[in-house]
Amino acid sequence: DIQMTQSPSSLSASVGDRVTITCRASQSISIYLNWYQQKPGKAPKLLIYAASNLQSGVPSRFSGSGSGTDFTLTINSLQPEDFATYYCQQYYSPPYTFGQGTKLEIK
Amino acid sequence: QVQLVQSGAEVKKPGASVKVSCKASGYTFASFDINWVRQATGQGLEWMGSMIPNNGNTRYAQKFQGRVTMTRSTSISTAYMELSSLTSEDTAVYYCARGTGRFDPWGQGTLVTVSS
Repeated sequence: DIQMTQSPSSLSASVGDRVTITCRASQSISIYLNWYQQKPGKAPKLLIYAASNLQSGVPSRFSGSGSGTDFTLTINSLQPEDFATYYCQQYYSPPYTFGQGTKLEIK
Repeated sequence: QVQLVQSGAEVKKPGASVKVSCKASGYTFASFDINWVRQATGQGLEWMGSMIPNNGNTRYAQKFQGRVTMTRSTSISTAYMELSSLTSEDTAVYYCARGTGRFDPWGQGTLVTVSS
């Protein structure tokens, strides 16, 4: 199975900050990488697909980059509604594994 | 709008089975895979498997092989996930999600509690 490792596991930031979350795959997954946002008690929501493509309706302050084994999710100018947990997911080969999550908290 | 609506919470005893439904609307049900993902309380996301509604073909994560069955009823645009031989380790929220690769949208989740 492909292991996905996110860092950091948790992060404190302030409204207006720029934050970056990284995701590393245990083998090359080309660009087959998605990012999701999950708020407490809610289902995950797709933010970025195929490493860098913004899902329809997602604010442009979210962006993704990377290929191969190393990926990043960047959020520019944090808004109050962005404080949540973020997961990466590979879909290069099944089982479609997720990272362990990064909890973004208000400083 | 595209929507997946899941069945309600379940409480099961160890050793029992549970069957969760996921009703699709707003798109052609046969055209997109349905995935099942679970999340134990306070834990991360775990992909269980997927099904192609068009032909019923399934792909299960090795961890759940022999214990999970994914089916569908195309006439009512509904997918099902049945998990057998439940233990307390299966207590989790179970989600369905549409898509091959990118999962969007997701159902609201179904809490399955396994307790004696």
